[in-house]
Amino acid sequence: QKEVEQNSGPLSVPEGAIASLNCTYSDRGSQSFFWYRQYSGKSPELIMSIYSNGDKEDGRFTAQLNKASQYVSLLIRDSQPSDSATYLCAVYPGTYKYIFGTGTRLKVLA
Amino acid sequence: DAMVIQNPRYQVTQFGKPVTLSCSQTLNHNVMYWYQQKSSQAPKLLFHYYDKDFNNEADTPDNFQSRRPNTSFCFLDIRSPGLGDAAMYLCATSRSKADTQYFGPGTRLTVL
Repeated sequence: QKEVEQNSGPLSVPEGAIASLNCTYSDRGSQSFFWYRQYSGKSPELIMSIYSNGDKEDGRFTAQLNKASQYVSLLIRDSQPSDSATYLCAVYPGTYKYIFGTGTRLKVLA
Repeated sequence: DAMVIQNPRYQVTQFGKPVTLSCSQTLNHNVMYWYQQKSSQAPKLLFHYYDKDFNNEADTPDNFQSRRPNTSFCFLDIRSPGLGDAAMYLCATSRSKADTQYFGPGTRLTVL
């Protein structure tokens, strides 16, 4: 059973701090990794995709991938109250579908 | 802007009354997906189409069916909705199975 694990949270951080969200996956052959943001009652919105080991930065967001340790993380710098949402990690293990984690709920406190 | 559109955004139906949810895309993507998402859960894949090739997840109830009449449109039919089918239904598209999936805004289904 391919699995993606995330801490459900809530993860609370003060405004302006760095939020660190983590995700581990079980299928060592996984090829593609995605972070989605989902506000309550809304659909998932793509934040970042990452395919190779290392860091990928996009504005205040940095995705980090370590295939040897089978984890992918998302850092949010200068966190804002508008970043408060559930963050879904999705992994493509090379079959035909994503495996989603259940998400980490982030609360940024003003 | 290229996008994924779902209609209606909110659907209320009675127990056992069939409903059809629609999804359209202007991205010209080959793959279209239907997910069911319940509160605090991960999206659960129901079906996907790769072009016209239909793929049904093993645990998708028989009550759920799908149609893709052309590249742009995909429909989800729920033949006899039960209370347990109340959920957010998400349509997503991708250029290929390995590529990024882009989600529509979702349809919130309520079953009375």
